[in-house]
Amino acid sequence: QVKLQQSGAELVKPGASVKLSCKTSGYTFSTSYMSWFKQIPGQSIEWIGMIYAGDGGTGYNQKFKGKATLTVDTSSSTAYMDLSSLTTEDSAVYFCARKGNFDYWGQGVMVTVSS
Amino acid sequence: DIVMTQAPLSVSVTPGESASISCRSSKSLLHSNGITYVYWYLQKPGKSPQLLIYRMSNLASGVPDRFSGSGSETDFTLKISRVEAEDVGIYYCGQLLENPYTFGAGTKLELK
Repeated sequence: QVKLQQSGAELVKPGASVKLSCKTSGYTFSTSYMSWFKQIPGQSIEWIGMIYAGDGGTGYNQKFKGKATLTVDTSSSTAYMDLSSLTTEDSAVYFCARKGNFDYWGQGVMVTVSS
Repeated sequence: DIVMTQAPLSVSVTPGESASISCRSSKSLLHSNGITYVYWYLQKPGKSPQLLIYRMSNLASGVPDRFSGSGSETDFTLKISRVEAEDVGIYYCGQLLENPYTFGAGTKLELK
């Protein structure tokens, strides 16, 4: 069955960067798209961007350009998202989801930015 | 960006009764290919969103047929027939027509 397993919670200091992972199984990762989302607790969902695992091609929400960088490792069927120059406004839960219809989601990872 | 506006923001339903959630987009979500790119998701407390309806009216795999989606180019409805306890959570409509994909503020469904 399709699974998306995200890495564990992160506590990072302002100004630092963090790399989140989303390890997949149960489908052909190399010919699929992956999207990432941000959700501040109690708020709605924001789409950050997507990446095509076949060639690494990306599309970003303009709001997150310069903040998020999406990459993939097809050898391990894993998608990654780097978040840079973190501020308290980046504290949120981040999800990965298989694009198509966003029919499968990771469990989410809480990123807390605090000194 | 396309704005998705949901109503109501919360709804309280007696188990066994029906519920409807509305969603309006600021732009037509009908593509020239004939597909309307509106989606519905349910986020249960403490969980990831789960797909309920795709492309306006198609039931996602494993979703009970108590759920149905309908609409036009800019106005959409999610209907839940015979609400059950497992339906509690926040419902989001979203548009996957164009970058950036955007979502409504959510409708919280609770039981009376």
